[in-house]
Amino acid sequence: QLVLTQSPSASASLGASVKLTCTLNSGHSSYTIAWHQQQPEKGPRYLMRLNSDGSHRKGDGIPDRFSGSISGAERYLTISSLQSEDEADYYCQTWGSGFVVFGGGTRLTVL
Amino acid sequence: QVQLVESGGGLVKPGGSLRLSCAASGFTFSDYYMSWIRQAPGKGLEWVSYISSSGTTIYYADSVKGRFTISRDNAKNSLYLQMSSLRAEDTAVYYCARDVMTNDYWGQGTLVTVSS
Repeated sequence: QLVLTQSPSASASLGASVKLTCTLNSGHSSYTIAWHQQQPEKGPRYLMRLNSDGSHRKGDGIPDRFSGSISGAERYLTISSLQSEDEADYYCQTWGSGFVVFGGGTRLTVL
Repeated sequence: QVQLVESGGGLVKPGGSLRLSCAASGFTFSDYYMSWIRQAPGKGLEWVSYISSSGTTIYYADSVKGRFTISRDNAKNSLYLQMSSLRAEDTAVYYCARDVMTNDYWGQGTLVTVSS
C-alpha cells in the first residue's frame, strides 16, 4: 500500500527559505507526486507536479519562489523568500490505477 | 478561467442521503477525469472517488464504497456525488477537483454535516 509521510509542522522566518519533505514508502520511490497549498479557511490550491526525474510543472500563477526537487524516495517543496501568505498547510499527493493518496500535511508557520 | 462550483451540502441525519453537484466551466469538461475529495473538520485531505472522462471507469475509497456513487453529465458539464447511508464520520467539506493525477483545480467546497 502506497503511503506518503510528511512532518506535521515546520517553521521558518519571514524572508527565509524552507524545504518541506514528502516521503514515499518502500517500493514506491518512482512515483510522481503533486503539491497543494491550503491557506487558513480556504480550499486547496495546486502548486506543482513533481516528476520522478526531478522535473516539475507548476500550476497557473504559482510564483517562482516555489520549486520542487527529489532525492530517492523523498519529494521536496522549497519555498524561498517566505512571505506571510505562505503560512498554510501543504499536502503532497500521488495516484495510481484505482486510488489517490494524500500525505498527512505539513503546517508551515512563518515567524 | 477554470471554475468548479460545488453545491448540495447541508445537514442530514445519520442514515440519510444527499446529492452533491459540481458545475464546471472554463475548460473542456469531457476531456478530464474528475475527483471528489473531502476534509473532515480539523483534519487532512481524503480522496473519496474518481471518474474517467467518459464515465466508464470509477473508483472509490474503501471508506465510502457501497454507499456513495459518483457520476457525471458531460452535456451539462457537471459532476455528481450521491451519498447514502451517511454516518457521522462522513461530516466534511467536499471538494471536486479536475484531473485525478494532479487535482490541478479545486472548487471552494460544500459542507456536509451528518448529525441527529
